[in-house]
Order: sequence, then structure tokens, then C-alpha cells
Amino acid sequence: GENVEQHPSTLSVQEGDSAVIKCTYSDSASNYFPWYKQELGKRPQLIIDIRSNVGEKKDQRIAVTLNKTAKHFSLHITETQPEDSAVYFCAAGSSGTYKYIFGTGTRLKVLA
Amino acid sequence: NAGVTQTPKFQVLKTGQSMTLQCAQDMNHEYMSWYRQDPGMGLRLIHYSVGAGITDQGEVPNGYNVSRSTTEDFPLRLLSAAPSQTSVYFCASSFSNFRTTGNTIYFGEGSWLTVV
Repeated sequence: GENVEQHPSTLSVQEGDSAVIKCTYSDSASNYFPWYKQELGKRPQLIIDIRSNVGEKKDQRIAVTLNKTAKHFSLHITETQPEDSAVYFCAAGSSGTYKYIFGTGTRLKVLA
Repeated sequence: NAGVTQTPKFQVLKTGQSMTLQCAQDMNHEYMSWYRQDPGMGLRLIHYSVGAGITDQGEVPNGYNVSRSTTEDFPLRLLSAAPSQTSVYFCASSFSNFRTTGNTIYFGEGSWLTVV
């Protein structure tokens, strides 16, 4: 079945450094790749997404890259701040089935 | 708009009991789904629906039933609760047209369920 692998499971960076989280998907029909941020005890919220016809998308300090050939996509956070500390989830979805499969999450800690 | 509303927020069940988690959205979204979140396991899809009268199984459907009689409501039923179903449950919804309306998945606030 469809699968999304996410690495690393935990990531600690110094404030101001960059953080990179990587995901790999198995379903070649996937064409939509969102990233969610979840703070402790709260619901996941969308921070950025990318569609399969685009290789890169940037929104201020956050960027996502997509390599469809290799079936992987990555989240890049630059100039990290303590408020970036949270759990981040990637997901892969298909306009054919509308199923969204999530990765297992990355706990990011930004050390002040 | 209230967005996605889930009830109850907290529930303790005894093994073998049944219950229904309610989910409603007021955004006229076609797509609705239920996820469970366990430590180290991420968000796993239980069931989903692409419209009223249409449901399908996700990654971990066993022990759960769903129905979609209206666009707004998508209840999740636990048939005979087991300790393995202790988890945080999230209902979610989105438009299903990838091409024109965007696909942001909106989550409810979550339901913390403990089965003893």
C-alpha cells in the first residue's frame, strides 16, 4: 500500500541555523505534498504545500523541494527560531483517490 | 465559520463499550477523514469519504465504522473498544478539487480517547 517515510524523527538545531526534514513516498500517483506543524496539545496546521508540477516553493523562511523522479520531498527552515519548535508532518495526496497519507513526524527543537 | 468541530474532547471507555466520535464541518468540503495519532506513529488514516454516501477504508480501519449521510457530518464509531484504540483522534476536511480550490486539510481540535 501507499507509504510515506519521514526522517529524522528528532532534530535539534541551534537558533539561527537551518533545519531540513526529508520525506519519501511510494505512490507514483501522488501529486500534492503538504507540510503540517503541530504544537503540543494542538491540531496540525498547514505551513506550506507543493504540487507535482512545481519543483520548489518558498514562503519567507520556509521552503519545500520536490523530486518526482526520486519520489522525495523536503522541508527547509532557515534562520530557525525557538517558536519553530514543534512536530512537523509531511503528507502525500492524490487527486485520483483523495487519500492523504502522513509521515511519522519530526520533532524539531530549536535551542536558544 | 466554526471550521471542523469534534466532540467529545476527552472520553474514557471500558473495554467492550461502544461509542461515536462526532465530526461536523461548515465549509461545504467534499472530503472528510479520520486519523488517529499515536506516539512515534504519526497520523494514520482510519477512514475517509469523498462525498455524501461514499466512504472508504484507510490504513487502519479495523474496529471502526463510518457513515456519511450528509456533506457536513462524518461520525466515527468504535464498535467494541479495546485498549489498543487508546489514542488521539483527529477529524479533517478539505475541498477535493485539486485543480481549482486548493487542498488545505483542516483538522478538528482532536479527541483524546482512553480505553481501560
